Amino acid sequence: EDQVTQSPEALRLQEGESSSLNCSYTVSGLRGLFWYRQDPGKGPEFLFTLYSAGEEKEKERLKATLTKKESFLHITAPKPEDSATYLCAVRGGATNKLIFGTGTLLAVQP
Amino acid sequence: DGGITQSPKYLFRKEGQNVTLSCEQNLNHDAMYWYRQDPGQGLRLIYYSQIVNDFQKGDIAEGYSVSREKKESFPLTVTSAQKNPTAFYLCASTNPSGTDTQYFGPGTRLTVL
Repeated sequence: EDQVTQSPEALRLQEGESSSLNCSYTVSGLRGLFWYRQDPGKGPEFLFTLYSAGEEKEKERLKATLTKKESFLHITAPKPEDSATYLCAVRGGATNKLIFGTGTLLAVQP
Repeated sequence: DGGITQSPKYLFRKEGQNVTLSCEQNLNHDAMYWYRQDPGQGLRLIYYSQIVNDFQKGDIAEGYSVSREKKESFPLTVTSAQKNPTAFYLCASTNPSGTDTQYFGPGTRLTVL
Protein backbone atom coordinates (compact mmCIF):
# COMPACT_ATOMS: atom_id res chain seq x y z
CA GLU A 1 0.00 0.00 0.00
CA ASP A 2 1.27 3.47 -0.88
CA GLN A 3 2.14 5.33 2.28
CA VAL A 4 3.84 8.48 3.59
CA THR A 5 5.12 8.79 7.16
CA GLN A 6 6.50 11.99 8.62
CA SER A 7 8.61 12.30 11.75
CA PRO A 8 8.75 13.69 14.28
CA GLU A 9 5.11 14.70 14.79
CA ALA A 10 6.27 17.83 16.56
CA LEU A 11 9.61 19.55 16.97
CA ARG A 12 10.59 22.46 19.15
CA LEU A 13 13.81 24.31 18.35
CA GLN A 14 15.61 27.32 19.69
CA GLU A 15 16.27 30.09 17.21
CA GLY A 16 19.44 29.22 15.31
CA GLU A 17 19.30 25.51 16.22
CA SER A 18 19.46 23.57 12.93
CA SER A 19 17.57 20.30 12.48
CA SER A 20 15.90 18.02 9.95
CA LEU A 21 12.40 16.73 9.30
CA ASN A 22 11.90 13.27 7.81
CA CYS A 23 9.44 11.98 5.22
CA SER A 24 9.54 8.23 4.57
CA TYR A 25 7.53 6.83 1.71
CA THR A 26 6.55 3.58 0.06
CA VAL A 27 5.21 3.98 -3.45
CA SER A 28 5.86 2.19 -6.69
CA GLY A 29 7.06 4.42 -9.46
CA LEU A 30 7.63 7.72 -7.68
CA ARG A 31 6.58 10.63 -9.88
CA GLY A 32 7.39 13.40 -7.48
CA LEU A 33 7.80 14.23 -3.81
CA PHE A 34 6.38 17.54 -2.65
CA TRP A 35 7.03 19.67 0.43
CA TYR A 36 4.52 22.24 1.65
CA ARG A 37 4.41 24.70 4.54
CA GLN A 38 1.07 25.26 6.28
CA ASP A 39 0.33 28.03 8.76
CA PRO A 40 -2.61 27.64 11.18
CA GLY A 41 -5.96 28.17 9.49
CA LYS A 42 -4.42 28.59 6.02
CA GLY A 43 -3.90 26.50 2.93
CA PRO A 44 -0.59 24.72 2.27
CA GLU A 45 2.08 26.79 0.55
CA PHE A 46 4.25 24.99 -1.99
CA LEU A 47 7.96 24.76 -1.19
CA PHE A 48 9.71 22.10 -3.30
CA THR A 49 9.27 19.27 -5.75
CA LEU A 50 11.87 16.49 -5.99
CA TYR A 51 11.74 13.86 -8.71
CA SER A 52 14.74 11.54 -8.39
CA ALA A 53 17.10 10.18 -5.77
CA GLY A 54 20.05 12.46 -5.18
CA GLU A 55 18.15 15.59 -6.10
CA GLU A 56 18.42 18.60 -3.76
CA LYS A 57 16.64 21.95 -3.70
CA GLU A 58 17.16 25.01 -1.53
CA LYS A 59 15.16 28.05 -0.57
CA GLU A 60 16.45 30.47 2.04
CA ARG A 61 17.01 28.42 5.24
CA LEU A 62 15.36 25.28 3.83
CA LYS A 63 16.99 22.46 1.89
CA ALA A 64 15.16 19.36 0.68
CA THR A 65 16.90 16.12 -0.26
CA LEU A 66 15.61 12.86 -1.68
CA THR A 67 16.68 9.20 -1.53
CA LYS A 68 14.88 6.11 -2.80
CA LYS A 69 13.06 5.69 0.51
CA GLU A 70 12.87 9.08 2.18
CA SER A 71 13.23 12.82 1.98
CA PHE A 72 14.67 15.25 4.48
CA LEU A 73 13.82 18.88 4.96
CA HIS A 74 16.84 20.50 6.55
CA ILE A 75 16.30 23.78 8.38
CA THR A 76 19.45 25.81 8.95
CA ALA A 77 19.55 28.46 11.66
CA PRO A 78 15.75 28.65 11.92
CA LYS A 79 13.90 31.79 12.92
CA PRO A 80 10.56 32.08 14.75
CA GLU A 81 8.84 32.86 11.44
CA ASP A 82 9.74 29.35 10.26
CA SER A 83 7.24 27.99 12.78
CA ALA A 84 4.54 26.09 10.87
CA THR A 85 3.40 22.60 9.95
CA TYR A 86 5.46 21.07 7.17
CA LEU A 87 3.65 18.60 4.93
CA CYS A 88 5.16 15.98 2.66
CA ALA A 89 3.31 14.33 -0.22
CA VAL A 90 4.21 11.83 -2.93
CA ARG A 91 2.75 11.11 -6.31
CA GLY A 92 3.04 7.69 -7.87
CA GLY A 93 1.74 4.15 -7.56
CA ALA A 94 -1.20 2.68 -9.39
CA THR A 95 -3.51 5.65 -8.93
CA ASN A 96 -0.97 8.45 -9.50
CA LYS A 97 -2.74 10.47 -6.84
CA LEU A 98 -1.07 12.73 -4.29
CA ILE A 99 -0.65 10.97 -0.92
CA PHE A 100 -0.03 13.19 2.09
CA GLY A 101 1.72 12.57 5.36
CA THR A 102 0.28 13.91 8.61
CA GLY A 103 2.88 16.66 8.87
CA THR A 104 5.50 17.87 11.34
CA LEU A 105 4.57 20.78 13.59
CA LEU A 106 7.66 22.96 13.99
CA ALA A 107 7.93 25.58 16.71
CA VAL A 108 10.98 27.85 16.77
CA GLN A 109 11.41 29.78 19.98
CA PRO A 110 13.30 33.10 20.12
CA ASP B 1 -2.57 38.47 -9.48
CA GLY B 2 -3.17 34.78 -10.16
CA GLY B 3 -4.33 32.39 -7.54
CA ILE B 4 -7.04 30.25 -6.01
CA THR B 5 -9.84 31.71 -3.95
CA GLN B 6 -12.20 29.86 -1.65
CA SER B 7 -15.32 31.20 -0.01
CA PRO B 8 -16.58 31.51 2.56
CA LYS B 9 -13.66 31.32 5.00
CA TYR B 10 -15.98 30.04 7.76
CA LEU B 11 -19.26 28.20 7.27
CA PHE B 12 -21.74 26.90 9.78
CA ARG B 13 -24.26 24.22 8.91
CA LYS B 14 -27.26 22.93 10.73
CA GLU B 15 -28.09 19.25 10.77
CA GLY B 16 -29.86 18.19 7.57
CA GLN B 17 -28.69 21.13 5.48
CA ASN B 18 -26.76 21.03 2.26
CA VAL B 19 -24.03 23.65 1.89
CA THR B 20 -21.86 24.63 -1.07
CA LEU B 21 -18.22 25.67 -0.86
CA SER B 22 -16.84 27.84 -3.63
CA CYS B 23 -13.47 27.41 -5.36
CA GLU B 24 -12.28 29.67 -8.18
CA GLN B 25 -8.89 29.82 -9.91
CA ASN B 26 -7.45 32.20 -12.49
CA LEU B 27 -4.26 30.21 -13.10
CA ASN B 28 -5.66 28.65 -16.29
CA HIS B 29 -5.13 25.23 -14.71
CA ASP B 30 -6.95 22.26 -16.17
CA ALA B 31 -7.20 20.06 -13.08
CA MET B 32 -8.86 20.93 -9.78
CA TYR B 33 -9.16 19.01 -6.52
CA TRP B 34 -11.03 19.02 -3.23
CA TYR B 35 -9.41 17.76 -0.04
CA ARG B 36 -10.55 17.43 3.52
CA GLN B 37 -8.16 18.02 6.44
CA ASP B 38 -8.82 16.70 9.94
CA PRO B 39 -6.52 16.99 12.96
CA GLY B 40 -3.90 14.24 13.05
CA GLN B 41 -4.69 13.01 9.53
CA GLY B 42 -3.18 13.70 6.16
CA LEU B 43 -5.17 15.51 3.51
CA ARG B 44 -7.75 13.19 2.00
CA LEU B 45 -9.02 13.51 -1.56
CA ILE B 46 -12.76 14.00 -1.97
CA TYR B 47 -13.22 14.68 -5.70
CA TYR B 48 -11.09 15.80 -8.61
CA SER B 49 -11.64 17.07 -12.12
CA GLN B 50 -9.10 16.97 -14.90
CA ILE B 51 -11.23 18.72 -17.50
CA VAL B 52 -14.46 20.70 -17.78
CA ASN B 53 -17.65 18.64 -17.49
CA ASP B 54 -15.79 15.64 -16.09
CA PHE B 55 -14.92 14.66 -12.52
CA GLN B 56 -13.98 11.56 -10.54
CA LYS B 57 -14.51 10.38 -6.99
CA GLY B 58 -11.57 10.46 -4.64
CA ASP B 59 -11.05 8.36 -1.55
CA ILE B 60 -13.86 9.83 0.57
CA ALA B 61 -16.56 11.00 -1.87
CA GLU B 62 -19.59 9.71 0.04
CA GLY B 63 -21.84 12.57 1.14
CA TYR B 64 -20.26 15.08 -1.25
CA SER B 65 -21.03 16.26 -4.78
CA VAL B 66 -19.27 18.52 -7.27
CA SER B 67 -19.72 20.14 -10.66
CA ARG B 68 -17.27 21.47 -13.23
CA GLU B 69 -19.18 23.64 -15.69
CA LYS B 70 -16.36 26.16 -16.13
CA LYS B 71 -12.61 25.74 -16.17
CA GLU B 72 -12.22 28.35 -13.44
CA SER B 73 -14.76 26.97 -10.99
CA PHE B 74 -15.14 23.72 -9.02
CA PRO B 75 -17.79 24.04 -6.28
CA LEU B 76 -18.20 21.36 -3.62
CA THR B 77 -21.57 20.57 -2.02
CA VAL B 78 -21.57 18.92 1.38
CA THR B 79 -24.87 17.09 1.61
CA SER B 80 -26.86 16.00 4.62
CA ALA B 81 -25.68 12.46 3.89
CA GLN B 82 -22.17 13.35 5.06
CA LYS B 83 -22.11 12.02 8.62
CA ASN B 84 -19.21 14.03 9.99
CA PRO B 85 -18.71 17.13 7.86
CA THR B 86 -16.93 19.33 10.39
CA ALA B 87 -13.45 19.82 8.90
CA PHE B 88 -11.14 22.17 7.02
CA TYR B 89 -11.75 21.96 3.26
CA LEU B 90 -9.02 22.74 0.76
CA CYS B 91 -9.25 23.29 -2.96
CA ALA B 92 -6.23 22.85 -5.21
CA SER B 93 -5.38 23.11 -8.88
CA THR B 94 -2.61 21.98 -11.18
CA ASN B 95 -1.62 22.00 -14.80
CA PRO B 96 -0.91 18.35 -15.66
CA SER B 97 1.20 19.30 -18.63
CA GLY B 98 3.57 21.22 -16.36
CA THR B 99 5.30 20.22 -13.15
CA ASP B 100 2.19 18.54 -11.72
CA THR B 101 2.54 20.64 -8.59
CA GLN B 102 -0.75 21.26 -6.80
CA TYR B 103 -1.37 24.79 -5.54
CA PHE B 104 -3.84 25.30 -2.75
CA GLY B 105 -6.45 27.87 -1.85
CA PRO B 106 -6.82 29.40 1.62
CA GLY B 107 -9.42 26.87 2.79
CA THR B 108 -12.94 26.88 4.23
CA ARG B 109 -13.63 25.76 7.77
CA LEU B 110 -17.02 24.05 8.01
CA THR B 111 -18.64 23.52 11.38
CA VAL B 112 -21.85 21.61 11.99
CA LEU B 113 -23.99 23.12 14.73
